[in-house]
Amino acid sequence: QVQLQESGPGLVRPSETLSLTCTVSGGFISGDYWSWIRQPPGMGLEWIGYIHYSGSTHYTPSLRSRVAMSLDASKQQFSLRLTSVTAADRAVYYCARGPIAGYEGWFDPWGQGTLVTISS
Amino acid sequence: QSVMTQPPSASGTPGQTVIISCSGTGSNIGSNSVKWYQQLPGTAPKILIYNNYQRPSGVPDRFSGSKSGTSASLAISGLQSEDEAAYYCATWDDHLNGVLFGGGTKLTVL
Repeated sequence: QVQLQESGPGLVRPSETLSLTCTVSGGFISGDYWSWIRQPPGMGLEWIGYIHYSGSTHYTPSLRSRVAMSLDASKQQFSLRLTSVTAADRAVYYCARGPIAGYEGWFDPWGQGTLVTISS
Repeated sequence: QSVMTQPPSASGTPGQTVIISCSGTGSNIGSNSVKWYQQLPGTAPKILIYNNYQRPSGVPDRFSGSKSGTSASLAISGLQSEDEAAYYCATWDDHLNGVLFGGGTKLTVL
């Protein structure tokens, strides 16, 4: 079955750019939507946005000015870039497949998550 | 305002039925389908319910979802100790133009 794995630096300096990659295995990245979701420690979930295999993207309005997602089908990977980070961006970042079958908010499976800390 | 409200906590004893609510507005629950997630401690969320009441394959039928107007509910019957987790509702919000998660409910099995 499809499995996802996040990778990237666990520590990012304030004002710099957070970059994460999600590698898809056990299935093909083509034809699906792929999302990023984050969760500050001890808090709830926040959807960041999604990218389709075609390259189309949709970002949550509050982060739209700082977010960019990309997809490399040849590597079975999709990526997240978040610029000008602050302490408020400290969170566990999850990648996930979805939305699925047109159901916005249906994400499955999820990666295990990676904690990104913002500190100088 | 784009907010979906869940009780911060819920509890029950083994074998009981627990119901977790998710209250929204016409721009989210009122006009879009609801999903429910279970997040066990230290793990990623897992889908329990999509399209208000449908269960993906592999999800036990002890978990059931419903929706009425601008509110949705997740019922867990035959409560088990392994159900102790955080539960989140999620849906699309037309005003936000994005996916919205509820604040989450931490379920304790006494």
